[in-house]
Amino acid sequence: QKEVEQNSGPLSVPEGAIASLNCTYSDRGSQSFFWYRQYSGKSPELIMFIYSNGDKEDGRFTAQLNKASQYVSLLIRDSQPSDSATYLCAAPYSSNTGKLIFGQGTTLQVKP
Amino acid sequence: SAVISQKPSRDICQRGTSLTIQCQVDSQVTMMFWYRQQPGQSLTLIATANQGSEATYESGFVIDKFPISRPNLTFSTLTVSNMSPEDSSIYLCSARTGGMYEQYFGPGTRLTVT
Repeated sequence: QKEVEQNSGPLSVPEGAIASLNCTYSDRGSQSFFWYRQYSGKSPELIMFIYSNGDKEDGRFTAQLNKASQYVSLLIRDSQPSDSATYLCAAPYSSNTGKLIFGQGTTLQVKP
Repeated sequence: SAVISQKPSRDICQRGTSLTIQCQVDSQVTMMFWYRQQPGQSLTLIATANQGSEATYESGFVIDKFPISRPNLTFSTLTVSNMSPEDSSIYLCSARTGGMYEQYFGPGTRLTVT
């Protein structure tokens, strides 16, 4: 059974700090990972994806992938109260179905 | 990315009735999916909507309860049949637009069954 695991939180950080969200996965064959942000009452929004080992930066967001350790993380620099949301990590279920497996999500609270 | 719309955005239904949810994408997409998200929970995949053929259902979901249509590359429907209060949930449509695995979600349909 392929799994994607996240700490449900809540993770609380002060405004301006770096928020670090982590995700581990069970399938060593997974090649790509996705981070979705979901505000309360809204649908998930794709904010980052990463396909190769190392870091990928997009504005205040950095995704980090470590295939050897089977974890992927999302760093949010200069956290803002508007970043308060649930962050979902996802990985492909298999290479030919297009399906994604989602983690349980981590709730981030950024306190002013 | 793709712009995805769903109708209705929310509904309150009586036990034993059925509701059909529509999902429209603004461009042709390779794959469409239907998810359910219960309060405080993550996303659970119901099925993959296949264009021109029967949907592929995940374990625990059956066609009689959740019939799905996908008549073309931009449109799909999900019907929740013979509803019970346990079907109260948010139902989300998603689409995969290209060769990689990114999926984009519609705004969701919030269903309450009384």
